Amino acid sequence: EVVLTQSPGTLSLSPGERATLSCRASESIYSIYLAWYQQKPGRAPRLLIYGASSRATGIPDRFSGGGSGTDFTLTISRLEPEDFAVYYCQLYGSSNVYIFGQGTKLEIK
Amino acid sequence: QVQLQESGPGLVKPSETLSLTCTVSGGSINDYYWSWIRQPPGKGLEWIGYIYYIGSTNYNPSLRSRVTMSVDTSKNQFSLKLNSVTAADTAVYYCSRVAYTYRTSWSHFDYWGPGALVTVSS
Repeated sequence: EVVLTQSPGTLSLSPGERATLSCRASESIYSIYLAWYQQKPGRAPRLLIYGASSRATGIPDRFSGGGSGTDFTLTISRLEPEDFAVYYCQLYGSSNVYIFGQGTKLEIK
Repeated sequence: QVQLQESGPGLVKPSETLSLTCTVSGGSINDYYWSWIRQPPGKGLEWIGYIYYIGSTNYNPSLRSRVTMSVDTSKNQFSLKLNSVTAADTAVYYCSRVAYTYRTSWSHFDYWGPGALVTVSS
C-alpha cells in the first residue's frame, strides 16, 4: 500500500511568512485523491484542500495546494496566528482505503 | 449544518470490546459513506473503516479481524465495535462523513465529530 511521508516534521516560522509543507507518496498517485487537513490541539481535523488543489468551503485563499505524481505541497501564503497547528495529508487509495501522512507541526518561531 | 457526535464508554478493559456510536444531526445519514478514524495520544491519524448507509463496509486491513461497523438509518446513527482491545487501542476516536464530488469521488472527509477518548486499562 502507498505510504505518505510528510516533511518537515516540524516547521518553525513567524506570522506573515510563507509556509510550504510537503507530502510525498511512495508511488505515483492520482492527485484528485489527495486531501489536506489542519488540526489544532484538542480539536478534530478540519478539511482544507481536496483533489490536491480545491479549497474546502470557508477556507481562506491564503491556503493553496498543488502537486502531481508523488510530490504534493500545501502552501500558506502569509501565516496568520491561527494557522499554527498540525497538518495532515490524506490519500484515497486503491481498494478504497484511506491513508494519512504522519503530520507536520507548524509552530511559531 | 451537519453535525456528528460520538458517544460510548470512555474506559474499556483489556481483551474486552470497545463500542462507540455516532449520531448524525442536521442532515440524513442516507446516501453517504461514514467513517471512523482514531488518533492515539500525541500521534497521527489512522483510518479504521467506513460503512455505507445501506450497510456495506470496508475496513483497514490492519484492524479488519477485530472491527465491526453497523448503521441504523431510523436513528441516523452508525456504530463501531472493536474487540479484543489492548492498551494500543487507547485513542481519541472520531466519526466523520466521507465527502463526494463528481471530480474526486469519495476521497476525503468533510464533517467530523469532536472525538471521544477511549482508554483501555484494567
